[in-house]
Amino acid sequence: DAGVIQSPRHEVTEMGQEVTLRCKPISGHDYLFWYRQTMMRGLELLIYFNNNVPIDDSGMPEDRFSAKMPNASFSTLKIQPSEPRDSAVYFCASSLGLAGAETQYFGPGTRLLVL
Amino acid sequence: AQSVSQHNHHVILSEAASLELGCNYSYGGTVNLFWYVQYPGQHLQLLLKYFSGDPLVKGIKGFEAEFIKSKFSFNLRKPSVQWSDTAEYFCAVNAGNTGFQKLVFGTGTRLLVSP
Repeated sequence: DAGVIQSPRHEVTEMGQEVTLRCKPISGHDYLFWYRQTMMRGLELLIYFNNNVPIDDSGMPEDRFSAKMPNASFSTLKIQPSEPRDSAVYFCASSLGLAGAETQYFGPGTRLLVL
Repeated sequence: AQSVSQHNHHVILSEAASLELGCNYSYGGTVNLFWYVQYPGQHLQLLLKYFSGDPLVKGIKGFEAEFIKSKFSFNLRKPSVQWSDTAEYFCAVNAGNTGFQKLVFGTGTRLLVSP
């Protein structure tokens, strides 16, 4: 299995632009998670899905952030409009079954820089 | 809300030194506990996990962690570190009050092992 796939690996954009991050979970996994990693706040859970349905989006910082999972093999995290403080590494992870009972597998991350 | 504390943000050791990284969590009920590692430029990988049974858990690469329920702790240890252990280490907790559906991560500990 190729593992969790994320694209792009790096993104540089200007403030105000729309940014779309993509994730393909491991085939068969029914949970998908989006995390943001910054020096100041560490690793924060933004949102997670179970069977393509958003379960908890309480970690999404504000309305500029949105996430979708149109099918079991694809998810997007969109920032519109982007701001410099959104600069971070965004990780996608997936698991089979309950997150606490099963291992989460992380993708390589997307390093986002908003100028 | 549950929280995870990693008190050592940066640790510098020489090769062959012993390692212990602290992790404390706030939830008093049933918990599942994890240590993840992030090597430079790579994504998070599971190091070890505890669900139940023997509180001393063995992981990959010679790491182990001990769950001490009375202290709400899950410290990571390695008797003799190597230069290749240079990485960031994250403790994570999943609690029954979330239905075991998501992990809460600590802010991480950066370990630098000098040759």
